Amino acid sequence: DTEVTQTPKHLVMGMTNKKSLKCEQHMGHRAMYWYKQKAKKPPELMFVYSYEKLSINESVPSRFSPECPNSSLLNLHLHALQPEDSALYLCASSQPGQLDEKLFFGSGTQLSVL
Amino acid sequence: AQSVTQLGSHVSVSEGALVLLRCNYSSSVPPYLFWYVQYPNQGLQLLLKYTSAATLVKGINGFEAEFKKSETSFHLTKPSAHMSDAAEYFCAVSPDRGSTLGRLYFGRGTQLTVWP
Repeated sequence: DTEVTQTPKHLVMGMTNKKSLKCEQHMGHRAMYWYKQKAKKPPELMFVYSYEKLSINESVPSRFSPECPNSSLLNLHLHALQPEDSALYLCASSQPGQLDEKLFFGSGTQLSVL
Repeated sequence: AQSVTQLGSHVSVSEGALVLLRCNYSSSVPPYLFWYVQYPNQGLQLLLKYTSAATLVKGINGFEAEFKKSETSFHLTKPSAHMSDAAEYFCAVSPDRGSTLGRLYFGRGTQLTVWP
């Protein structure tokens, strides 16, 4: 299994809603990532978890709250988002320290904030 | 800070023609460099990566890239384009050497169009 699975694939939410994005991998990877990709733009790193601990937060607003409940799961909790937060949210995973370390991406959650 | 610059936001080639997508990096130390491809409504797929071993790196789908320190370049090439190569291509750099390579910073991307 070399897949990173993200759910839901599409999400529409209002600015007062609370929602969560989910990401799952069963490759035994111990690093997991959230990237944000606006339309026609490159992905931008948001968070990095390494061995279930948050190691990097790229100055992301607190309305985005990541969570890594175990080595296979990564969540992104959303609260009081703004329309400009509409984007494709990509999850990725990798195994740190491997000589041939590769980053595997999920297909993303397309988020629309109304 | 390390970064990459992709020259040309759009490249169009005919099927069977050479594909050349340009990427230049800025770093005082040769970084780890990557090329990723993204098809519509999908995540990113790794084409190839340079991690200071061979300067000519061969990837999937017939792509290759050459690391040239003197030119600070890491251009992506394919001898003969196929219709299925039409996609967005991203050059990326990782500032982490020896630890996780997943912390990537991407160029703005190049949209490749292949004409029949």
